[in-house]
Amino acid sequence: DVKVTQSSRYLVKRTGEKVFLECVQDMDHENMFWYRQDPGLGLRLIYFSYDVKMKEKGDIPEGYSVSREKKERFSLILESASTNQTSMYLCASSFQLDTGELFFGEGSRLTVL
Amino acid sequence: DAKTTQPTSMDCAEGRAANLPCNHSTISGNEYVYWYRQIHSQGPQYIIHGLKNNETNEMASLIITEDRKSSTLILPHATLRDTAVYYCIAFIQGAQKLVFGQGTRLTINP
Repeated sequence: DVKVTQSSRYLVKRTGEKVFLECVQDMDHENMFWYRQDPGLGLRLIYFSYDVKMKEKGDIPEGYSVSREKKERFSLILESASTNQTSMYLCASSFQLDTGELFFGEGSRLTVL
Repeated sequence: DAKTTQPTSMDCAEGRAANLPCNHSTISGNEYVYWYRQIHSQGPQYIIHGLKNNETNEMASLIITEDRKSSTLILPHATLRDTAVYYCIAFIQGAQKLVFGQGTRLTINP
C-alpha cells in the first residue's frame, strides 16, 4: 500500500521556536507537496518539490522553508514560529507533476502558543 | 483552473446511493474533474477523475455531462464510513497544484 508518513500528528510549540515537520513517502514518487488547512480557507499550497534539492513556492510560502535532500523525504521548516501558523499541515506526494492524483499523509496539527 | 461549485452539505441514508453534484461551467477542454474526500482528522483521499467519459472504479462512479459543465460523483451503496467532506476539483494536467474548494460535507445516516 502507498504510504505517506508525517512524523508528528500533534505538536505544541512556542512563538519564536524553530519547527521541523517531516514527511516520508515510500512510493518512489518524484513530487512532494506541503499544504496547510484552516477552517474557512481550505487547503492552501505552501511549497512543492519535483526533484531532490528542487523546490517551488506555492501560494503561501512566507514564513516557511523546505528541504528535500533525499527523494523520499520532504521537510517543512518554520524558522520562527508564530501564532498565525497554528494549523493542520498536510504532506502529499505524486508520481508525476502532470497528474492530479496525490497521496496525502494524515496531517500534523501544529499549535503555536 | 476553473472554479467548481458544490452544495455545502448533504445527507444520505446508509445503503442508498449518494449522488454528489458539482458545477464547473467554465471548465476548459483540457481540464480534468478530480474528486477527493477527507474523513475527519485525516488527509484527503483521491477517489476518481475523468475528462469527458464516465468513469468507474472500486470506490465510486463519475458521471460528466456531455457539455462538461457539471458532474456527479456516485457512491453506489453508502456506508457510515463514507461520511466525509467531498471535494470536486478542476485540474489542468501539468498545472502542478490542486486547488481545493470548500467541498460538500456528506453525512451518511443509519
